Amino acid sequence: NAGVTQTPKFRILKIGQSMTLQCTQDMNHNYMYWYRQDPGMGLKLIYYSVGAGITDKGEVPNGYNVSRSTTEDFPLRLELAAPSQTSVYFCASNLEGLAAEQYFGPGTRLTVT
Amino acid sequence: GQQVMQIPQYQHVQEGEDFTTYCNSSTTLSNIQWYKQRPGGHPVFLIQLVKSGEVKKQKRLTFQFGEAKKNSSLHITATQTTDVGTYFCGWLTGGGNKLTFGTGTQLKVEL
Repeated sequence: NAGVTQTPKFRILKIGQSMTLQCTQDMNHNYMYWYRQDPGMGLKLIYYSVGAGITDKGEVPNGYNVSRSTTEDFPLRLELAAPSQTSVYFCASNLEGLAAEQYFGPGTRLTVT
Repeated sequence: GQQVMQIPQYQHVQEGEDFTTYCNSSTTLSNIQWYKQRPGGHPVFLIQLVKSGEVKKQKRLTFQFGEAKKNSSLHITATQTTDVGTYFCGWLTGGGNKLTFGTGTQLKVEL
């Protein structure tokens, strides 16, 4: 199993540009999550999904959108990039929800200038 | 509202010394999870504690959940260079709909 994979690893965006961060898991996990991690800080939940077709907002959803058309994929969309979205983005997944071990992907380091 | 503090923010130790990080809450927690993140890496789950007074061990790591379920600690005995990284606690909030993470304790181990 590859586990949780994310692409790209790095990206530099100009203000106002759009992009999609890809996340795929091959563990047949129902739950998937997107977090952002700012320097020296903990993780903040952006969006999560409890299964294909079901998504919900986390703590910091503004400026982002998600979709979950399959169990495996959970892309995160930035529509109008802003410098405040400069961060490292982690995707995670698990079988049983937040009260259980989460498996994290390697992360995408995004810089918006 | 609930406040959870993770301390210390940084810790430098000599290899072989012990290390402890704490998460302290102003209110009772339903559970607490611990993760480790190596420099440039991603968080890796270490353990979850749910019972009052619970103590779990993983080799040189000892995890505790306080009797009142308001504090938790991660203790590493005889640190090694492989222990370098940031240790985060996480706890359920929002009626179990959200996992909030502490700001982490960055551990550096010097030879």
